[in-house]
Amino acid sequence: NAGVTQTPKFRVLKTGQSMTLLCAQDMNHEYMYWYRQDPGMGLRLIHYSVGEGTTAKGEVPDGYNVSRLKKQNFLLGLESAAPSQTSVYFCASSYPRRGAIGEQYFGPGTRLTVT
Amino acid sequence: AQKVTQAQTEISVVEKEDVTLDCVYETRDTTYYLFWYKQPPSGELVFLIRRNSFDEQNEISGRYSWNFQKSTSSFNFTITASQVVDSAVYFCALMGVYFNQAGTALIFGKGTTLSVSS
Repeated sequence: NAGVTQTPKFRVLKTGQSMTLLCAQDMNHEYMYWYRQDPGMGLRLIHYSVGEGTTAKGEVPDGYNVSRLKKQNFLLGLESAAPSQTSVYFCASSYPRRGAIGEQYFGPGTRLTVT
Repeated sequence: AQKVTQAQTEISVVEKEDVTLDCVYETRDTTYYLFWYKQPPSGELVFLIRRNSFDEQNEISGRYSWNFQKSTSSFNFTITASQVVDSAVYFCALMGVYFNQAGTALIFGKGTTLSVSS
């Protein structure tokens, strides 16, 4: 099992450019999440999905869009990148566990710099 | 509102010392889950423990132990006989059972950076 993988690992964008981050999991998890990690801020939830075809906003959704067309993939899009979106992005997945929430498994992260 | 506070930003210890990382949480949910994650210098997030709000038993796993006290809303993490490989950022996190209604998932604290020197 590869677990949770993220593509790309690093990326530098210019202000206004767009890009898509890809997250893939091979654990058949229902739930998937996108977080961003900024220095001194911990991780903050951007968007999440509780199943194929469903997405919802998290704590800091502005400037991002997501799609979950396949159960194993969760895409995070930046339509017009801004320097404030310079961050490390983590994808995670989890499964329902006895009707509740299981632990989240995280990908290795994507380091994005917007100049 | 849900909140996790890790008041210790950085801790430095010498190898073999015991160290406790503090975590205080706030939630109105009666059922919730608490987690600890480790982020070593390589950057990945490693799951350490998951605890639900109905289970207040302390847990020990090798050199790691966790003390959950609902009365003080704390879920502290102790490393016994610390080692250099324990150097990392440690995050405490909270999740309410109804996260998909509240629009949030894991609420993370800001992390505690632990440095263990030899």
